[in-house]
Amino acid sequence: KQEVTQIPAALSVPEGENLVLNCSFTDSAIYNLQWFRQDPGKGLTSLLLIQSSQREQTSGRLNASLDKSSGRSTLYIAASQPGDSATYLCAVSDDYKLSFGAGTTVTVRA
Amino acid sequence: NAGVTQTPKFQVLKTGQSMTLQCAQDMNHEYMSWYRQDPGMGLRLIHYSVGAGITDQGEVPNGYNVSRSTTEDFPLRLLSAAPSQTSVYFCASRRDRGGTGELFFGEGSRLTVL
Repeated sequence: KQEVTQIPAALSVPEGENLVLNCSFTDSAIYNLQWFRQDPGKGLTSLLLIQSSQREQTSGRLNASLDKSSGRSTLYIAASQPGDSATYLCAVSDDYKLSFGAGTTVTVRA
Repeated sequence: NAGVTQTPKFQVLKTGQSMTLQCAQDMNHEYMSWYRQDPGMGLRLIHYSVGAGITDQGEVPNGYNVSRSTTEDFPLRLLSAAPSQTSVYFCASRRDRGGTGELFFGEGSRLTVL
């Protein structure tokens, strides 16, 4: 069974600092890895999708890397802003199911 | 483009009552799924569908029924609600049947069973 772990569970940084969020998974036989953002009481918003054949994806201040062989992904958020405060979830796809990590709750202090 | 739409957003039920959570997508996606999100448990797959007339069970299917009569709609039925079904339910869809595409989520339906 696929196990997805996100460390740390919570993170508090001052505005302007770069954020580094980690995700690890136990089974490397994945189709892709997706990073989501969830605001309190809201749904999940897709941030980045990395296919299993790719090493990284970038969108604006966000960059995500994938090392499938070691079962790791890292989400980098450059120059953090208070609006980046949210819970970030990673999920790996094994055909019909996404397996989710528990998330990292980020607080960016103004 | 509305994306994935879920109704109702909030619902309170009594134990033993039945209800249907509605999910509709307007992106012509083949794959649709239902997840529940619970504190400390993360998101878990309840049921999924890879096209009209095709459904299958996920990790936690007991107490729930689904059907897929059209590409657009994928309702989730609670047959006899129990307090353990108090949760936030999310519907999600993607374009392709297989696992390579981006998954899009609805805003969620918050269910309380008393």
